[in-house]
Amino acid sequence: RKEVEQDPGPFNVPEGATVAFNCTYSNSASQSFFWYRQDCRKEPKLLMSVYSSGNEDGRFTAQLNRASQYISLLIRDSKLSDSATYLCVVNPRGTSGTYKYIFGTGTRLKVLA
Amino acid sequence: GAVVSQHPSWVICKSGTSVKIECRSLDFQATTMFWYRQFPKQSLMLMATSNEGSKATYEQGVEKDKFLINHASLTLSTLTVTSAHPEDSSFYICSAIRDRGLAEAFFGQGTRLTVV
Repeated sequence: RKEVEQDPGPFNVPEGATVAFNCTYSNSASQSFFWYRQDCRKEPKLLMSVYSSGNEDGRFTAQLNRASQYISLLIRDSKLSDSATYLCVVNPRGTSGTYKYIFGTGTRLKVLA
Repeated sequence: GAVVSQHPSWVICKSGTSVKIECRSLDFQATTMFWYRQFPKQSLMLMATSNEGSKATYEQGVEKDKFLINHASLTLSTLTVTSAHPEDSSFYICSAIRDRGLAEAFFGQGTRLTVV
């Protein structure tokens, strides 16, 4: 089983739609979670961190479910500019206290006019 | 905000030559930097974790003699692809974390390597 798994999509949605992505992780001791956005041929950029209590930033809502070991990202009122690949990132935190960030395969979103 | 600068942004080299990629944290000290590789339409794959002043930790399947990592200072890590071959052509990205803990990772702009 991969450490971090995502549905690669693509998700094709009309403008204004609400879309949700899930991401599962295998290491129950994982400490921190993020959603990144990557545009074609560019580096990933942080979209939002994911907090235990869930958090919202404008049209974006992130949630963490530790019991089921998944995080989710909800995008409301989709815009054309939201078209990108959304990467789930998990910091599994090694036993020696080292940090590394593991990426999911990414979910491609295409918002259609 | 924090900035990570990666250089060069693209490079074309001949088979058998070596290519060095630099990753600099511009406004913070990074004790840990990460190197990733991304093939077209695939996710970022962690190659190695670079720790300042010590040897890098390589992920399984990554040849440490082929991908040399040096993290000589708190603001600079380098990745050298030695004796590059066409199959090494890829998008290489570095990232750095500013603080230990729940810090986000900041990414360089990436280096697109093409080996001909």
